[in-house]
Amino acid sequence: KNEVEQSPQNLTAQEGEFITINCSYSVGISALHWLQQHPGGGIVSLFMLSSGKKKHGRLIATINIQEKHSSLHITASHPRDSAVYICAVRRNNNDMRFGAGTRLTVKP
Amino acid sequence: DVKVTQSSRYLVKRTGEKVFLECVQDMDHENMFWYRQDPGLGLRLIYFSYDVKMKEKGDIPEGYSVSREKKERFSLILESASTNQTSMYLCASSRTYTEAFFGQGTRLTVV
Repeated sequence: KNEVEQSPQNLTAQEGEFITINCSYSVGISALHWLQQHPGGGIVSLFMLSSGKKKHGRLIATINIQEKHSSLHITASHPRDSAVYICAVRRNNNDMRFGAGTRLTVKP
Repeated sequence: DVKVTQSSRYLVKRTGEKVFLECVQDMDHENMFWYRQDPGLGLRLIYFSYDVKMKEKGDIPEGYSVSREKKERFSLILESASTNQTSMYLCASSRTYTEAFFGQGTRLTVV
């Protein structure tokens, strides 16, 4: 079983919809990252969380350490949000484990 | 502006060739990582390094080696390239317990 599970695997939304991507993990972590990967491969770090909630523009990330669960929310989604979103956990030995990614397509 | 730079975006190599993938970061980070990314499998750690000349095996080190002679540079070496090493390779760097920064990726095709 993968140490980091993301859902859904694929997500198609209409422009303006509220989107949620979920991440569950089974190992002890020091931090959780949400990453965005656009076509062509480049990866951008969106958030690093160790507790609570962070907000950046239309993006919100939350983490519940007790439940080992994190969510990434996108409000008022836009076609330019179309990308693969990856959940990654930094384990206590400092290496990272990744979910398989969620491919988001936002249609105009 | 922080930067992790990988030497090539696309590479095509022949089976049996020795392949070098280079990664350079300009942030004075102590930690550097090499991952490969395959459809349905996500990113998997090949090797990481937490200091110059130090290296640790990740989940899939077989067929690979690494070199870190200088803090800013972390090289991934495919000793004898095989077709099952066709993949996207991503380098990352970080300070301990902080955000990781990724390179743009190298898409390697072994024919």
